[in-house]
Amino acid sequence: QKEVEQDPGPLSVPEGAIVSLNCTYSNSAFQYFMWYRQYSRKGPELLMYTYSSGNKEDGRFTAQVDKSSKYISLFIRDSQPSDSATYLCAMLKANNLFFGTGTRLTVIP
Amino acid sequence: GAVVSQHPSRVICKSGTSVKIECRSLDFQATTMFWYRQFPKQSLMLMATSNEGSKATYEQGVEKDKFLINHASLTLSTLTVTSAHPEDSSFYICSARARGGDRGNTEAFFGQGTRLTVV
Repeated sequence: QKEVEQDPGPLSVPEGAIVSLNCTYSNSAFQYFMWYRQYSRKGPELLMYTYSSGNKEDGRFTAQVDKSSKYISLFIRDSQPSDSATYLCAMLKANNLFFGTGTRLTVIP
Repeated sequence: GAVVSQHPSRVICKSGTSVKIECRSLDFQATTMFWYRQFPKQSLMLMATSNEGSKATYEQGVEKDKFLINHASLTLSTLTVTSAHPEDSSFYICSARARGGDRGNTEAFFGQGTRLTVV
């Protein structure tokens, strides 16, 4: 079993929709939880960062962590075509980042 | 956010030759740099972790004699793919961990990636 599980998609939504991206993990030692966005043939860029259970909001993006269920989510409100990318969850344990496989999102105009 | 510059962005080389990829942290000091490999439609696979001034730590299954990592300064790490073969063709991405700040050393910044094609 992988330490971080993420549905690879692909996921297609119409412009303006609310997008929900999710990851589960098996190791309770993970301390920090990140979401990265990766455009095609580019390196990942950090979107959101959180370390505790609960919600963290930044503009149209909300990161949610539920440590009791070992489940994290990223919500994108009012999705835009420019949000089309691969979204990777990542978790930090002992100075190492563990990535999900990434979910490819397409927002259709 | 902090900037990590990776060069070259694309390289095509002949089988049997060596290729060097550079990773620079432009506006911060990075005591730790990470090298990842990403195959199409797959996630990032950590290859090795390098700390400035010491030998890199390689993940299981990664040949240290084939993927030479040098972390000579707090702002530069290099990955050299030696005697490259077509199966080494992949997308290589470096990451540098920033020091200090409210988040301590947990935030990682990524380079733009290098698309290596071995023919």
